[in-house]
Amino acid sequence: TQLLEQSPQFLSIQEGENLTVYCNSSSVFSSLQWYRQEPGEGPVLLVTVVTGGEVKKLKRLTFQFGDARKDSSLHITAAQPGDTGLYLCAGERGSTLGRLYFGRGTQLTVWP
Amino acid sequence: NAGVTQTPKFRILKIGQSMTLQCTQDMNHNYMYWYRQDPGMGLKLIYYSVGAGITDKGEVPNGYNVSRSTTEDFPLRLELAAPSQTSVYFCASSYMVGRNQPQHFGDGTRLSIL
Repeated sequence: TQLLEQSPQFLSIQEGENLTVYCNSSSVFSSLQWYRQEPGEGPVLLVTVVTGGEVKKLKRLTFQFGDARKDSSLHITAAQPGDTGLYLCAGERGSTLGRLYFGRGTQLTVWP
Repeated sequence: NAGVTQTPKFRILKIGQSMTLQCTQDMNHNYMYWYRQDPGMGLKLIYYSVGAGITDKGEVPNGYNVSRSTTEDFPLRLELAAPSQTSVYFCASSYMVGRNQPQHFGDGTRLSIL
């Protein structure tokens, strides 16, 4: 069973479109991290959200942590081909500090 | 900046062979992790370590062993390799001071068992 459910699994869009990736759970997390992974490389941290209702912006990327700290979303505005990659959400639970539980990832392809 | 270094990058093993995947980090991180990544399945934790001499099982430890004799190194041992262990293996580390610390990943070892 997957503790964090990510959707959609695949997303293929044209340059300039907007998109949202969702990360949902029935469990509460002390924090949610979003990573981006490119082919042949390891994941790289984009952002960490720690407070329920928190919104963080990273240029065209907006991250939100749900009020109940059970879900998160990543919204990309005006997607560019350089945004192409695998986006992974990962949650840390208060009972297991230091351990991350990863979602299955969303493979995003942005066509020029 | 080396960060987390994994060797080898690629390896093909025959069923029943054994091997050690190497991982070293130069950031003086106390936490280290081993994950496997299968297509469409995200990252599954195999083993982790909170410091030298201390290791613990993750979600999928069967068929693997680890040791942590130094802060820098965290090798992963496969005994009696099986086709189900074909995967991409990632090592990661984090500096555990408080919560919400990011994990820093190596570039992975792509392992095929034939």
